[in-house]
Amino acid sequence: DSGVTQTPKHLITATGQRVTLRCSPRSGDLSVYWYQQSLDQGLQFLIQYYNGEERAKGNILERFSAQQFPDLHSELNLSSLELGDSALYFCASSVEVGRAGNTIYFGEGSWLTVV
Amino acid sequence: EDQVTQSPEALRLQEGESSSLNCSYTVSGLRGLFWYRQDPGKGPEFLFTLYSAGEEKEKERLKATLTKKESFLHITAPKPEDSATYLCAVLSTGGGNKLTFGTGTQLKVEL
Repeated sequence: DSGVTQTPKHLITATGQRVTLRCSPRSGDLSVYWYQQSLDQGLQFLIQYYNGEERAKGNILERFSAQQFPDLHSELNLSSLELGDSALYFCASSVEVGRAGNTIYFGEGSWLTVV
Repeated sequence: EDQVTQSPEALRLQEGESSSLNCSYTVSGLRGLFWYRQDPGKGPEFLFTLYSAGEEKEKERLKATLTKKESFLHITAPKPEDSATYLCAVLSTGGGNKLTFGTGTQLKVEL
Protein backbone atom coordinates (compact mmCIF):
# COMPACT_ATOMS: atom_id res chain seq x y z
CA ASP A 1 0.00 0.00 0.00
CA SER A 2 1.60 3.25 -1.19
CA GLY A 3 -0.53 5.47 1.04
CA VAL A 4 -2.02 7.33 -1.94
CA THR A 5 -5.80 6.83 -2.05
CA GLN A 6 -7.89 7.23 -5.17
CA THR A 7 -11.66 7.07 -5.62
CA PRO A 8 -13.61 5.76 -7.36
CA LYS A 9 -11.74 2.62 -8.41
CA HIS A 10 -14.01 2.02 -11.38
CA LEU A 11 -16.35 4.34 -13.25
CA ILE A 12 -18.50 3.82 -16.32
CA THR A 13 -20.12 6.84 -17.91
CA ALA A 14 -21.57 7.98 -21.21
CA THR A 15 -20.04 10.26 -23.81
CA GLY A 16 -20.61 13.92 -23.14
CA GLN A 17 -20.79 13.46 -19.38
CA ARG A 18 -18.56 14.89 -16.67
CA VAL A 19 -16.80 12.99 -13.89
CA THR A 20 -14.59 13.86 -10.92
CA LEU A 21 -11.74 11.69 -9.73
CA ARG A 22 -10.47 12.14 -6.21
CA CYS A 23 -7.02 11.65 -4.69
CA SER A 24 -5.71 11.79 -1.14
CA PRO A 25 -1.90 12.00 -1.05
CA ARG A 26 0.36 10.23 1.41
CA SER A 27 0.45 11.81 4.83
CA GLY A 28 2.93 14.67 4.75
CA ASP A 29 3.18 14.86 0.97
CA LEU A 30 2.55 18.33 -0.46
CA SER A 31 2.92 17.55 -4.16
CA VAL A 32 0.27 15.75 -6.21
CA TYR A 33 0.60 14.53 -9.79
CA TRP A 34 -2.01 13.19 -12.21
CA TYR A 35 -1.16 10.69 -14.95
CA GLN A 36 -3.21 9.00 -17.65
CA GLN A 37 -2.47 5.47 -18.86
CA SER A 38 -4.25 4.06 -21.90
CA LEU A 39 -3.71 0.72 -23.63
CA ASP A 40 -1.81 2.14 -26.57
CA GLN A 41 0.26 4.64 -24.63
CA GLY A 42 2.42 4.64 -21.57
CA LEU A 43 1.96 6.82 -18.54
CA GLN A 44 1.28 10.36 -19.71
CA PHE A 45 1.78 13.26 -17.33
CA LEU A 46 -1.24 15.53 -17.03
CA ILE A 47 -0.68 18.06 -14.26
CA GLN A 48 1.06 18.69 -10.95
CA TYR A 49 0.12 20.69 -7.87
CA TYR A 50 2.21 21.70 -4.91
CA ASN A 51 0.58 22.88 -1.72
CA GLY A 52 -2.49 24.09 -3.59
CA GLU A 53 -0.75 25.74 -6.52
CA GLU A 54 -0.34 24.44 -10.05
CA ARG A 55 3.35 23.78 -10.74
CA ALA A 56 3.58 21.90 -14.01
CA LYS A 57 1.29 21.07 -16.89
CA GLY A 58 1.64 18.26 -19.38
CA ASN A 59 -0.56 17.06 -22.19
CA ILE A 60 -3.79 17.84 -20.40
CA LEU A 61 -6.81 18.55 -22.58
CA GLU A 62 -8.78 21.76 -22.12
CA ARG A 63 -11.79 19.60 -21.20
CA PHE A 64 -9.84 18.41 -18.17
CA SER A 65 -9.06 20.44 -15.07
CA ALA A 66 -7.68 19.78 -11.63
CA GLN A 67 -7.24 21.44 -8.30
CA GLN A 68 -5.64 20.80 -4.94
CA PHE A 69 -7.54 21.80 -1.84
CA PRO A 70 -6.25 23.24 1.48
CA ASP A 71 -6.34 19.75 3.05
CA LEU A 72 -4.05 18.69 0.15
CA HIS A 73 -6.46 16.29 -1.49
CA SER A 74 -6.83 16.75 -5.22
CA GLU A 75 -9.58 16.33 -7.78
CA LEU A 76 -9.33 15.76 -11.52
CA ASN A 77 -12.39 16.88 -13.44
CA LEU A 78 -13.04 15.39 -16.87
CA SER A 79 -15.84 16.92 -18.94
CA SER A 80 -17.48 16.41 -22.34
CA LEU A 81 -16.14 12.89 -22.20
CA GLU A 82 -15.23 11.05 -25.38
CA LEU A 83 -14.65 7.36 -26.01
CA GLY A 84 -10.92 8.04 -26.25
CA ASP A 85 -10.84 9.29 -22.68
CA SER A 86 -11.28 5.73 -21.45
CA ALA A 87 -8.12 4.99 -19.48
CA LEU A 88 -6.58 4.43 -16.09
CA TYR A 89 -6.02 7.69 -14.26
CA PHE A 90 -3.32 7.67 -11.61
CA CYS A 91 -2.60 10.08 -8.86
CA ALA A 92 0.86 10.22 -7.33
CA SER A 93 2.37 12.21 -4.50
CA SER A 94 5.73 13.25 -3.12
CA VAL A 95 7.00 15.35 -0.25
CA GLU A 96 8.37 18.19 -2.36
CA VAL A 97 8.32 19.35 -5.93
CA GLY A 98 10.10 16.47 -7.65
CA ARG A 99 13.30 17.12 -5.74
CA ALA A 100 15.92 14.46 -6.17
CA GLY A 101 15.64 12.23 -3.17
CA ASN A 102 11.88 12.46 -3.06
CA THR A 103 10.21 9.27 -4.14
CA ILE A 104 7.00 9.69 -6.12
CA TYR A 105 4.41 7.16 -4.96
CA PHE A 106 1.41 6.14 -7.04
CA GLY A 107 -2.13 5.24 -6.08
CA GLU A 108 -4.00 2.24 -7.45
CA GLY A 109 -5.74 4.30 -10.11
CA SER A 110 -9.27 5.03 -11.26
CA TRP A 111 -10.53 3.00 -14.20
CA LEU A 112 -12.67 5.21 -16.43
CA THR A 113 -14.74 3.64 -19.17
CA VAL A 114 -16.67 5.94 -21.49
CA VAL A 115 -19.44 4.23 -23.46
CA GLU B 1 12.15 17.07 -24.57
CA ASP B 2 13.02 14.12 -22.37
CA GLN B 3 12.87 10.71 -24.01
CA VAL B 4 12.89 7.26 -22.44
CA THR B 5 13.10 4.05 -24.45
CA GLN B 6 12.79 0.62 -22.92
CA SER B 7 13.74 -2.71 -24.43
CA PRO B 8 12.71 -5.36 -25.00
CA GLU B 9 8.98 -4.65 -25.08
CA ALA B 10 8.29 -8.14 -23.79
CA LEU B 11 10.47 -10.83 -22.26
CA ARG B 12 9.66 -14.42 -21.41
CA LEU B 13 12.02 -16.23 -19.03
CA GLN B 14 12.13 -19.60 -17.40
CA GLU B 15 12.30 -19.64 -13.63
CA GLY B 16 15.93 -19.19 -12.62
CA GLU B 17 16.97 -17.76 -16.01
CA SER B 18 18.67 -14.41 -15.31
CA SER B 19 18.38 -11.48 -17.71
CA SER B 20 18.51 -7.70 -18.01
CA LEU B 21 16.06 -5.02 -19.03
CA ASN B 22 17.31 -1.86 -20.71
CA CYS B 23 16.27 1.76 -20.33
CA SER B 24 17.89 4.33 -22.61
CA TYR B 25 17.28 7.99 -21.91
CA THR B 26 17.88 11.41 -23.40
CA VAL B 27 17.51 14.32 -21.02
CA SER B 28 18.82 17.83 -20.63
CA GLY B 29 20.17 17.09 -17.17
CA LEU B 30 19.37 14.01 -15.13
CA ARG B 31 18.02 14.59 -11.63
CA GLY B 32 17.00 10.98 -11.08
CA LEU B 33 16.15 7.75 -12.86
CA PHE B 34 13.36 5.69 -11.37
CA TRP B 35 12.34 2.05 -11.74
CA TYR B 36 8.81 0.96 -10.99
CA ARG B 37 7.00 -2.38 -11.16
CA GLN B 38 3.40 -2.45 -12.35
CA ASP B 39 1.01 -5.38 -12.08
CA PRO B 40 -2.03 -5.48 -14.39
CA GLY B 41 -4.68 -2.98 -13.34
CA LYS B 42 -2.56 -1.71 -10.45
CA GLY B 43 -0.56 1.41 -9.76
CA PRO B 44 3.21 1.54 -10.34
CA GLU B 45 5.14 0.30 -7.31
CA PHE B 46 8.40 2.10 -6.57
CA LEU B 47 11.57 0.01 -6.77
CA PHE B 48 14.68 2.21 -7.09
CA THR B 49 15.99 5.70 -7.71
CA LEU B 50 19.44 6.22 -9.24
CA TYR B 51 21.07 9.65 -9.37
CA SER B 52 24.48 9.42 -10.98
CA ALA B 53 26.44 7.27 -13.41
CA GLY B 54 28.06 4.30 -11.72
CA GLU B 55 25.43 4.04 -9.04
CA GLU B 56 23.92 0.62 -8.28
CA LYS B 57 21.05 -0.47 -6.06
CA GLU B 58 19.76 -3.91 -5.13
CA LYS B 59 16.56 -5.34 -3.78
CA GLU B 60 16.08 -9.09 -3.49
CA ARG B 61 16.56 -10.51 -7.02
CA LEU B 62 16.69 -7.08 -8.66
CA LYS B 63 19.72 -4.89 -9.27
CA ALA B 64 19.59 -1.52 -11.04
CA THR B 65 22.62 0.17 -12.58
CA LEU B 66 23.09 3.54 -14.27
CA THR B 67 25.39 4.96 -16.94
CA LYS B 68 25.28 8.37 -18.60
CA LYS B 69 22.98 7.09 -21.33
CA GLU B 70 21.13 4.09 -19.98
CA SER B 71 20.06 2.04 -17.02
CA PHE B 72 19.79 -1.71 -16.63
CA LEU B 73 17.53 -3.71 -14.39
CA HIS B 74 19.17 -7.06 -13.80
CA ILE B 75 16.95 -9.89 -12.65
CA THR B 76 18.80 -12.79 -11.06
CA ALA B 77 17.17 -16.22 -10.82
CA PRO B 78 13.67 -14.84 -11.37
CA LYS B 79 10.54 -16.44 -9.96
CA PRO B 80 7.00 -16.44 -11.39
CA GLU B 81 6.04 -13.73 -8.88
CA ASP B 82 8.48 -11.39 -10.62
CA SER B 83 6.16 -11.36 -13.62
CA ALA B 84 5.02 -7.75 -14.17
CA THR B 85 5.64 -4.72 -16.34
CA TYR B 86 8.79 -2.85 -15.36
CA LEU B 87 8.72 0.88 -15.99
CA CYS B 88 11.63 3.28 -16.20
CA ALA B 89 11.18 7.03 -15.71
CA VAL B 90 13.39 10.10 -15.57
CA LEU B 91 13.27 13.37 -13.71
CA SER B 92 15.31 16.04 -15.43
CA THR B 93 16.38 19.65 -15.00
CA GLY B 94 14.65 20.53 -18.26
CA GLY B 95 11.55 18.45 -17.71
CA GLY B 96 10.09 20.43 -14.89
CA ASN B 97 8.82 18.48 -11.93
CA LYS B 98 7.34 15.51 -13.73
CA LEU B 99 8.45 11.96 -14.36
CA THR B 100 8.74 10.99 -18.03
CA PHE B 101 8.07 7.28 -18.44
CA GLY B 102 9.10 4.69 -20.97
CA THR B 103 6.48 2.28 -22.27
CA GLY B 104 7.79 -0.56 -20.13
CA THR B 105 9.04 -4.12 -20.47
CA GLN B 106 6.44 -6.80 -19.89
CA LEU B 107 8.18 -9.67 -18.10
CA LYS B 108 6.73 -13.14 -17.78
CA VAL B 109 8.54 -15.79 -15.75
CA GLU B 110 7.41 -19.35 -16.30
CA LEU B 111 7.92 -22.48 -14.23
